[in-house]
Amino acid sequence: DAKTTQPPSMDCAEGRAANLPCNHSTISGNEYVYWYRQIHSQGPQYIIHGLKNNETNEMASLIITEDRKSSTLILPHATLRDTAVYYCIVKGYNFNKFYFGSGTKLNVKP
Amino acid sequence: DTEVTQTPKHLVMGMTNKKSLKCEQHMGHRAMYWYKQKAKKPPELMFVYSYEKLSINESVPSRFSPECPNSSLLNLHLHALQPEDSALYLCASSQDEGRGYQPQHFGDGTRLSIL
Repeated sequence: DAKTTQPPSMDCAEGRAANLPCNHSTISGNEYVYWYRQIHSQGPQYIIHGLKNNETNEMASLIITEDRKSSTLILPHATLRDTAVYYCIVKGYNFNKFYFGSGTKLNVKP
Repeated sequence: DTEVTQTPKHLVMGMTNKKSLKCEQHMGHRAMYWYKQKAKKPPELMFVYSYEKLSINESVPSRFSPECPNSSLLNLHLHALQPEDSALYLCASSQDEGRGYQPQHFGDGTRLSIL
């Protein structure tokens, strides 16, 4: 599975969009990109996943570049409750393992 | 609210004790996972069960013994643990046995402290 690289921390003002980048330059054709977040003292929470098209759900949007070597998770209107560690993971079709990278600590400030 | 339930939420045990962690899901998922997470570190995979059979063991010491009695239940039996085994133990489940793109769903974990 491809490895991912994320900035260790980011700040965002409450109410503004939070854009979290992830680099996965060694991703292969059948690997999906997944995003999870972990709020303190809780288990990782699934946010969204995608292959090559942009995806949107009630929580966030996922933008994947055309070459698929990087992606951005967008929280459109960040709230204080979005403060968490955000993990970007890539996983192939015939593979059971999630390898978590170091993640990005998002600090949403009032 | 998580659909994967882990008990107990907290556990303190001595190095000579035997205890078990329990994980339950009722989503009809056929793959279940144990992860270990040390403080300020990402989760690390320990075991994967697929259709109630152990499919992956990430070279975990034998003092950790997993068990999957049925498709909804996953246990982790602990014996003779070391202080460095103190961590958050997370359980997860997913719909398929690995072929597919369905995400894993996590419980909130058991925080284990070894005295």
